[in-house]
Amino acid sequence: EVQLAQSGAEVKKPGESLRISCQGSGYIFTTHWITWVRQMPGKGLEWMGRIDPSHSYINYNPSFQGHVTMSVDKSISTAYLQWNSLKASDTAMYYCARFVYDVLTGQYYHYMDVWGNGTTVTVSS
Amino acid sequence: EIVLTQSPGTLSLSPGEGATLSCRASQSVESTHLAWYQQKRGQAPRLLIYGASSRATGIPDRFSGSGSGTDFSLIIRRLEPEDFAVYYCQQHVTFPFTFGPGTKVDIK
Repeated sequence: EVQLAQSGAEVKKPGESLRISCQGSGYIFTTHWITWVRQMPGKGLEWMGRIDPSHSYINYNPSFQGHVTMSVDKSISTAYLQWNSLKASDTAMYYCARFVYDVLTGQYYHYMDVWGNGTTVTVSS
Repeated sequence: EIVLTQSPGTLSLSPGEGATLSCRASQSVESTHLAWYQQKRGQAPRLLIYGASSRATGIPDRFSGSGSGTDFSLIIRRLEPEDFAVYYCQQHVTFPFTFGPGTKVDIK
Protein backbone atom coordinates (compact mmCIF):
# COMPACT_ATOMS: atom_id res chain seq x y z
CA GLU A 1 0.00 0.00 0.00
CA VAL A 2 1.26 3.44 -0.93
CA GLN A 3 1.58 5.58 2.19
CA LEU A 4 3.08 8.79 3.48
CA ALA A 5 3.71 8.58 7.21
CA GLN A 6 4.17 11.89 8.98
CA SER A 7 5.83 12.58 12.30
CA GLY A 8 3.82 13.33 15.41
CA ALA A 9 2.35 16.50 16.83
CA GLU A 10 4.74 19.18 18.05
CA VAL A 11 4.39 21.93 20.64
CA LYS A 12 7.05 24.62 20.47
CA LYS A 13 7.80 28.11 21.70
CA PRO A 14 8.29 31.13 19.43
CA GLY A 15 11.85 31.34 18.19
CA GLU A 16 12.50 27.61 18.48
CA SER A 17 13.48 25.43 15.56
CA LEU A 18 11.60 22.42 14.28
CA ARG A 19 11.83 19.73 11.63
CA ILE A 20 8.90 17.50 10.73
CA SER A 21 9.10 14.48 8.50
CA CYS A 22 7.17 12.55 5.89
CA GLN A 23 8.25 9.00 5.01
CA GLY A 24 7.05 7.34 1.84
CA SER A 25 6.48 3.61 1.45
CA GLY A 26 4.92 1.24 -1.05
CA TYR A 27 6.30 3.03 -4.10
CA ILE A 28 9.56 4.27 -5.58
CA PHE A 29 10.10 7.40 -3.51
CA THR A 30 12.35 9.16 -6.02
CA THR A 31 9.82 9.09 -8.87
CA HIS A 32 7.25 11.39 -7.27
CA TRP A 33 7.74 14.96 -6.18
CA ILE A 34 6.70 15.62 -2.58
CA THR A 35 4.71 18.71 -1.74
CA TRP A 36 3.75 20.40 1.54
CA VAL A 37 0.40 21.99 2.30
CA ARG A 38 -0.48 24.18 5.27
CA GLN A 39 -3.88 24.36 6.89
CA MET A 40 -4.24 26.92 9.63
CA PRO A 41 -6.92 26.30 12.27
CA GLY A 42 -10.36 26.48 10.69
CA LYS A 43 -8.96 27.62 7.34
CA GLY A 44 -8.34 26.29 3.88
CA LEU A 45 -5.40 24.65 2.15
CA GLU A 46 -2.25 26.55 1.16
CA TRP A 47 0.39 25.12 -1.15
CA MET A 48 3.86 25.69 0.33
CA GLY A 49 6.17 24.22 -2.26
CA ARG A 50 7.53 21.02 -3.74
CA ILE A 51 10.73 19.01 -3.70
CA ASP A 52 12.07 16.46 -6.15
CA PRO A 53 13.34 13.54 -4.02
CA SER A 54 15.65 12.38 -6.78
CA HIS A 55 17.66 15.56 -7.27
CA SER A 56 16.47 17.76 -4.38
CA TYR A 57 15.20 20.43 -6.77
CA ILE A 58 12.88 22.72 -4.82
CA ASN A 59 10.24 25.28 -5.72
CA TYR A 60 8.76 27.38 -2.93
CA ASN A 61 5.57 29.34 -2.91
CA PRO A 62 6.86 32.93 -2.55
CA SER A 63 4.57 33.31 0.46
CA PHE A 64 6.68 30.73 2.33
CA GLN A 65 10.12 31.26 0.81
CA GLY A 66 12.72 32.22 3.37
CA HIS A 67 10.71 31.02 6.34
CA VAL A 68 10.71 27.26 5.75
CA THR A 69 13.22 24.84 4.26
CA MET A 70 12.35 21.66 2.43
CA SER A 71 14.78 18.80 2.19
CA VAL A 72 14.86 15.10 1.51
CA ASP A 73 16.90 12.04 2.44
CA LYS A 74 16.20 9.62 -0.36
CA SER A 75 18.19 6.85 1.35
CA ILE A 76 15.36 6.58 3.88
CA SER A 77 12.53 7.80 1.61
CA THR A 78 11.88 10.77 3.83
CA ALA A 79 11.07 14.40 3.16
CA TYR A 80 11.41 17.14 5.74
CA LEU A 81 9.96 20.56 6.42
CA GLN A 82 12.04 22.75 8.71
CA TRP A 83 11.77 26.07 10.52
CA ASN A 84 14.75 27.86 12.11
CA SER A 85 12.67 30.30 14.12
CA LEU A 86 9.02 29.53 14.68
CA LYS A 87 6.30 32.13 15.04
CA ALA A 88 2.90 31.82 16.64
CA SER A 89 1.44 32.23 13.15
CA ASP A 90 3.08 28.91 12.15
CA THR A 91 0.50 27.12 14.27
CA ALA A 92 -1.22 24.86 11.78
CA MET A 93 -1.65 21.37 10.42
CA TYR A 94 0.98 20.50 7.84
CA TYR A 95 0.34 17.83 5.24
CA CYS A 96 2.79 16.23 2.91
CA ALA A 97 1.44 14.80 -0.30
CA ARG A 98 2.71 13.15 -3.45
CA PHE A 99 2.46 14.61 -6.90
CA VAL A 100 1.48 12.21 -9.64
CA TYR A 101 3.93 10.60 -12.00
CA ASP A 102 2.50 8.69 -14.94
CA VAL A 103 4.86 5.77 -15.52
CA LEU A 104 3.36 5.06 -18.95
CA THR A 105 4.00 8.51 -20.38
CA GLY A 106 6.79 9.73 -18.13
CA GLN A 107 4.68 12.81 -17.47
CA TYR A 108 4.51 14.63 -14.14
CA TYR A 109 1.23 16.15 -12.94
CA HIS A 110 0.97 18.48 -10.00
CA TYR A 111 -2.12 17.26 -8.31
CA MET A 112 -1.84 15.16 -5.15
CA ASP A 113 -2.97 11.56 -5.20
CA VAL A 114 -1.60 10.39 -1.83
CA TRP A 115 -1.59 12.45 1.36
CA GLY A 116 0.00 12.01 4.74
CA ASN A 117 -2.17 12.15 7.82
CA GLY A 118 -0.81 15.53 8.82
CA THR A 119 1.42 16.92 11.55
CA THR A 120 -0.03 19.43 13.99
CA VAL A 121 2.38 22.19 14.93
CA THR A 122 1.47 24.43 17.85
CA VAL A 123 3.64 27.44 18.60
CA SER A 124 2.83 29.17 21.85
CA SER A 125 4.71 30.90 24.60
CA GLU B 1 -0.88 34.08 -9.05
CA ILE B 2 -4.10 32.45 -10.17
CA VAL B 3 -6.87 33.07 -7.66
CA LEU B 4 -9.59 30.45 -7.39
CA THR B 5 -13.02 31.45 -6.10
CA GLN B 6 -15.46 28.81 -4.96
CA SER B 7 -19.18 29.21 -4.55
CA PRO B 8 -21.26 28.88 -2.60
CA GLY B 9 -19.29 29.04 0.62
CA THR B 10 -21.71 26.66 2.28
CA LEU B 11 -24.33 24.38 0.78
CA SER B 12 -26.96 22.97 3.15
CA LEU B 13 -28.59 19.90 1.67
CA SER B 14 -30.31 16.68 2.67
CA PRO B 15 -29.07 13.17 1.89
CA GLY B 16 -30.32 12.11 -1.52
CA GLU B 17 -30.23 15.61 -2.95
CA GLY B 18 -27.80 16.72 -5.64
CA ALA B 19 -25.07 19.34 -5.28
CA THR B 20 -23.33 21.60 -7.78
CA LEU B 21 -20.15 23.30 -6.61
CA SER B 22 -18.47 26.03 -8.60
CA CYS B 23 -14.80 26.96 -8.98
CA ARG B 24 -13.87 30.09 -10.95
CA ALA B 25 -10.30 31.01 -11.86
CA SER B 26 -8.90 34.53 -12.27
CA GLN B 27 -7.12 33.37 -15.43
CA SER B 28 -7.74 30.57 -17.87
CA VAL B 29 -6.70 27.14 -16.57
CA GLU B 30 -6.10 24.23 -18.89
CA SER B 31 -8.65 21.61 -17.91
CA THR B 32 -5.86 19.05 -17.49
CA HIS B 33 -4.58 21.21 -14.62
CA LEU B 34 -7.66 21.45 -12.41
CA ALA B 35 -8.31 19.04 -9.55
CA TRP B 36 -10.91 18.63 -6.79
CA TYR B 37 -10.36 17.32 -3.26
CA GLN B 38 -12.67 16.31 -0.45
CA GLN B 39 -11.77 16.90 3.17
CA LYS B 40 -13.80 15.44 5.98
CA ARG B 41 -13.51 16.84 9.49
CA GLY B 42 -10.29 15.75 11.15
CA GLN B 43 -8.97 14.02 8.04
CA ALA B 44 -6.45 14.72 5.33
CA PRO B 45 -7.78 15.83 1.96
CA ARG B 46 -8.56 13.14 -0.60
CA LEU B 47 -8.24 13.45 -4.36
CA LEU B 48 -11.63 13.22 -6.08
CA ILE B 49 -11.21 14.57 -9.59
CA TYR B 50 -8.19 15.37 -11.75
CA GLY B 51 -7.98 16.83 -15.23
CA ALA B 52 -11.26 18.63 -14.44
CA SER B 53 -13.37 15.54 -15.17
CA SER B 54 -11.50 12.30 -14.44
CA ARG B 55 -12.40 10.47 -11.26
CA ALA B 56 -9.55 9.32 -9.06
CA THR B 57 -9.22 5.66 -8.15
CA GLY B 58 -12.03 4.44 -5.93
CA ILE B 59 -14.21 7.53 -6.28
CA PRO B 60 -17.89 6.66 -6.79
CA ASP B 61 -19.52 7.68 -10.05
CA ARG B 62 -21.95 9.99 -8.27
CA PHE B 63 -19.06 12.46 -8.33
CA SER B 64 -18.38 14.18 -11.64
CA GLY B 65 -16.42 17.20 -12.78
CA SER B 66 -16.73 19.47 -15.76
CA GLY B 67 -15.64 22.82 -17.10
CA SER B 68 -12.94 24.61 -19.00
CA GLY B 69 -11.21 27.94 -19.19
CA THR B 70 -12.11 29.80 -16.03
CA ASP B 71 -15.28 27.97 -14.94
CA PHE B 72 -15.34 24.51 -13.43
CA SER B 73 -17.93 22.49 -11.55
CA LEU B 74 -18.06 19.51 -9.24
CA ILE B 75 -21.39 17.72 -9.27
CA ILE B 76 -22.49 15.23 -6.64
CA ARG B 77 -25.56 13.20 -7.53
CA ARG B 78 -27.65 11.89 -4.63
CA LEU B 79 -25.64 12.91 -1.59
CA GLU B 80 -24.69 10.09 0.75
CA PRO B 81 -24.09 10.73 4.47
CA GLU B 82 -20.33 10.37 3.95
CA ASP B 83 -20.30 13.14 1.32
CA PHE B 84 -20.88 15.93 3.82
CA ALA B 85 -17.46 17.56 3.86
CA VAL B 86 -15.46 20.48 2.51
CA TYR B 87 -14.50 20.47 -1.16
CA TYR B 88 -11.51 22.32 -2.61
CA CYS B 89 -10.48 22.96 -6.19
CA GLN B 90 -6.80 23.33 -7.08
CA GLN B 91 -5.00 24.61 -10.16
CA HIS B 92 -1.58 23.36 -11.10
CA VAL B 93 -0.93 25.18 -14.35
CA THR B 94 1.26 27.98 -12.95
CA PHE B 95 3.33 28.62 -9.83
CA PRO B 96 2.39 29.01 -7.14
CA PHE B 97 -0.18 26.26 -7.33
CA THR B 98 -3.30 27.45 -5.56
CA PHE B 99 -6.41 26.11 -3.90
CA GLY B 100 -9.83 27.66 -3.74
CA PRO B 101 -11.18 28.61 -0.30
CA GLY B 102 -13.47 25.60 -0.23
CA THR B 103 -17.18 24.85 -0.28
CA LYS B 104 -18.66 23.22 2.80
CA VAL B 105 -21.50 20.80 2.12
CA ASP B 106 -23.39 20.29 5.33
CA ILE B 107 -26.53 18.51 6.39
CA LYS B 108 -29.70 20.52 6.29
